[in-house]
Amino acid sequence: EVQLVESGGGLVQPGGSLRLSCAASGFTVSSNYMSWVRQAPGKGLEWVSVIYSGGSTYYADSVKGRFTISRDNSKNTLYLQMNSLRAEDTAVYYCARRDSREHWFDPWGQGTLVTVSS
Amino acid sequence: QSVLTQPPSVSAAPGQKVTISCSGSSSNIGNNYVSWYQQLPGTAPKLLIYDNNKRPSGIPDRFSGSKSGTSATLGITGLQTGDEADYYCGTWDSSLSAGEVFGTGTKVTVL
Repeated sequence: EVQLVESGGGLVQPGGSLRLSCAASGFTVSSNYMSWVRQAPGKGLEWVSVIYSGGSTYYADSVKGRFTISRDNSKNTLYLQMNSLRAEDTAVYYCARRDSREHWFDPWGQGTLVTVSS
Repeated sequence: QSVLTQPPSVSAAPGQKVTISCSGSSSNIGNNYVSWYQQLPGTAPKLLIYDNNKRPSGIPDRFSGSKSGTSATLGITGLQTGDEADYYCGTWDSSLSAGEVFGTGTKVTVL
């Protein structure tokens, strides 16, 4: 079964750091395009970042320079390193596999909540 | 601020049909495929429609998608109480760097 399981969310102070993990099963992370998408409480979906199978990475302007997407091929796991966190980064963070040809996402993980507050 | 606009809510009685619009521009919907996602309360989004009108395996044919110009539409026929959810459209915007974009979201209520 193709599945994604996120972990690593929690409460962090403004300016702090957090690393999210997304463990995949049923497929190989390094052979796919993988993304992070977030959803602030009561709000819509916002794309955060993508890593292509070739290793290229891209970020939304709102997180560029603060967040880093990466993967560990040996663990078949995707990561999101989040630094200099702000209150507006508070959201549920989902990892999702993105189609390599067109821009759709499937499957999605269950999400992990990140709360940035003092 | 999303570049794709959806109505905040739509509603209908069980068994009826609803349509959800997704309005964009030539830099996104006009030149790219559209996908649709269903988000049941408290759960992660789930792919409903991809490449404008294709359904993944397991998605009933009550759900359909279409695109015309810079707008896309999701249709749900034979509405069921289990269809109560938030629905989002998505595509890529060529005016942004690797700009994946989602719609503002529509809440479907079954009366």
